[in-house]
Amino acid sequence: AQKVTQAQTEISVVEKEDVTLDCVYETRDTTYYLFWYKQPPSGELVFLIRRNSFDEQNEISGRYSWNFQKSTSSFNFTITASQVVDSAVYFCALPSGGGADGLTFGKGTHLIIQP
Amino acid sequence: DTAVSQTPKYLVTQMGNDKSIKCEQNLGHDTMYWYKQDSKKFLKIMFSYNNKELIINETVPNRFSPKSPDKAHLNLHINSLELGDSAVYFCASSQGWDRGYEQYFGPGTRLTVT
Repeated sequence: AQKVTQAQTEISVVEKEDVTLDCVYETRDTTYYLFWYKQPPSGELVFLIRRNSFDEQNEISGRYSWNFQKSTSSFNFTITASQVVDSAVYFCALPSGGGADGLTFGKGTHLIIQP
Repeated sequence: DTAVSQTPKYLVTQMGNDKSIKCEQNLGHDTMYWYKQDSKKFLKIMFSYNNKELIINETVPNRFSPKSPDKAHLNLHINSLELGDSAVYFCASSQGWDRGYEQYFGPGTRLTVT
């Protein structure tokens, strides 16, 4: 069965610090996709990134970067020079099966950026 | 324009009532979903719907039923509401069934059953 583990329930850092959110997954598939979503205090779910298992290159988007390591089944998310607006719950997810089965989410990491 | 919209945003009702949550997407997507987020923020898929084909998560009670009048809408109807149904319900859509497509979520509907 598909499984996503986000072991960090809550992380609190001071603004401008770098922070890494961990995601470890289990999948029965040989090819697969991984996703990160952000849920700010306002409650909506915002898509951040999709990654496929073919591509192990790190992805960078502004202050955000993602490190995908197939050998350790991890897809970690780093925020550089964190800002208060980064405060949110972050979810890692992968498809439950075929696309029709929706996404299996981790339990989320609550990130608190203190000014 | 909002890509995926839901109404209402908040819904407070009593046990035993029947209620509906509406969802509309203007992304031209073929597949829509309903998720439930519990009080601990855990997100779980309830339904997937594509071109009149419905996939139901086996754990969802049959009091819950999705209804799709057209490709852009997937409404959620709930019969005989129970206290345990209190949660935030999210609608989402994606371009297709393929598991590589990202899903875009609506703003959520917070359902409170008293």
